[in-house]
Amino acid sequence: EDQVTQSPEALRLQEGESSSLNCSYTVSGLRGLFWYRQDPGKGPEFLFTLYSAGEEKEKERLKATLTKKESFLHITAPKPEDSATYLCAVQAGAAGNKLTFGGGTRVLVKP
Amino acid sequence: DAGVIQSPRHEVTEMGQEVTLRCKPISGHDYLFWYRQTMMRGLELLIYFNNNVPIDDSGMPEDRFSAKMPNASFSTLKIQPSEPRDSAVYFCASSFAGELFFGEGSRLTVL
Repeated sequence: EDQVTQSPEALRLQEGESSSLNCSYTVSGLRGLFWYRQDPGKGPEFLFTLYSAGEEKEKERLKATLTKKESFLHITAPKPEDSATYLCAVQAGAAGNKLTFGGGTRVLVKP
Repeated sequence: DAGVIQSPRHEVTEMGQEVTLRCKPISGHDYLFWYRQTMMRGLELLIYFNNNVPIDDSGMPEDRFSAKMPNASFSTLKIQPSEPRDSAVYFCASSFAGELFFGEGSRLTVL
C-alpha cells in the first residue's frame, strides 16, 4: 500500500525566514509526486508535479525537489500570504490517476 | 472554464437523513474523484471514475455510501442513512493527464 508522510505537521516562520517541508513516500512504481496548497475553506490548489529523482521545479518563492525516497518543498523568504497547508501526494503503479495524500504541513508566516 | 463545481457548499442534517452531494467536473476531463477530508484522517479517496465508469470504490466506507456518474458532466455522492461520523468536507476532483483539479468542497455536518 502506498504511504506518504509529511513533516513537520506545523511550521511557524517569521517573514523572510526560509525553511523546508519534507514528504517521504513508500510506493511501488512512482509515476509522479504532486504538491498542493490548501487555504482554509478551499479545495487543494495544484502547485507542482515531479516525475523523476533529481528533478526540481520553482514557482515564485517555492521550489520542489525529488529524490528516490522523499521530496522537499523549500520556501525562500516567505511572506504572510504563503501561510497555508501544503499537501504532498503520489501517483503510483497501475493505480490509474488517483493520488494518495500525506497529512499535510500547516505553515504560518508571521509579519 | 469555471473549474470543478460542487453543491451544496454546506449541509447540516440530522442523523438518519439522506444526503446527496453533487459535482460538475471540468469539461473534457475523463477522470472524476471523490475525496473526504477530516482532521484525523486527512484526505482519503472514496471512489473514482474513468469515462463515467467506477474504477476503484475500495475507499467507500460502507454500504451507506454510493456514487454515480450518469454522464461526463455530473456525479453524485449519496449517504443514506447519514451518521455523525460522516461529518467531514467532501471534495470532488477531476483530471485529464495527471494533476487533479479540486472543487471548493461540500462541508457536511450530521447532528
